[in-house]
Amino acid sequence: QEQLVQSGAEVKKPGASVRVSCEASGYSFTGYDIHWVRQAPGQGLEWMGWINPKSGDTNYAQKFQGRVTMTRDTSIKTSYMELSRLRSDDTAVYYCARDFYDSNSYTGGAFDVWGQGTMVIVSS
Amino acid sequence: QSVLTQPPSASGTPGQRVTISCSGSSSNIGSNYVHWYQQLPGTAPKLLIYRSDQRPSGVPDRFSGSKSGTSASLAISGLRSEDEADYYCAVWDDSLSGLYVFGTGTKVTAL
Repeated sequence: QEQLVQSGAEVKKPGASVRVSCEASGYSFTGYDIHWVRQAPGQGLEWMGWINPKSGDTNYAQKFQGRVTMTRDTSIKTSYMELSRLRSDDTAVYYCARDFYDSNSYTGGAFDVWGQGTMVIVSS
Repeated sequence: QSVLTQPPSASGTPGQRVTISCSGSSSNIGSNYVHWYQQLPGTAPKLLIYRSDQRPSGVPDRFSGSKSGTSASLAISGLRSEDEADYYCAVWDDSLSGLYVFGTGTKVTAL
C-alpha cells in the first residue's frame, strides 16, 4: 500500500543539525510533492515547507528559511529534511506528508499519506 | 500564532452533533480550499475532509465540512467515543509567501 516511512528518533545538542528521512513506497515517488510538518509537545501542527521530488524544487516557510533544507534521492524514493542550528524549541515530532490528488486532480493542499513521525529532542 | 482560529475544545454526548469552527481571512479561507485533519493521541494526522466539503474514501459520512466566506466548519453527526481526538483545519495563505497554515486545533471529547 501507499506509505511513507520515516527514520528513527534523534537526540541532538543545541547548535547541531538533524536530518530526517522519509521513504516512499507503493506509489510513483516523483508524482507527488512531499511536505514537512512538525508538532512540538502538546502543541499544534506547523508547516515547514515542501519539495517536488521530480524537479527538486522547494518552498520553505519564512520562519525556517536559512535553517531548513529539503532534498530527495529519487533512486531510493526518499525525501530528506535537514534542520540546522537546532534550539531547544525545535524539539518536536517531525512528519512528512504527501499531496493528495483526487482522480488525478490536485486537491489544493490536502495531505493524504503521512509518515509515522520522527521525534527530535534538542537538549544539552 | 496561527492565522486560523479554532475553539480549543468541543464536546457532546454520544449520538449528538458537534460542530467545530475555523475562522480565517480573505487571503486564506476566503480564496482557497479548506482541509480538515483528525489526530488521535500519539498518531499522525489523518485527512478527514478536503476541498472544504469532500470526504476521502473510507471516511464515514458522519463527518461533513462546509465553508462560507472566511470561515469553515466541520460537523460530526452522531458523535462516537472513537471520535475523541484533536481536529485541525488547514489552508494555503496567499499573503504569506506561499505559506500553508494549520488552525489552532480543537480537542473533541465525548462525554
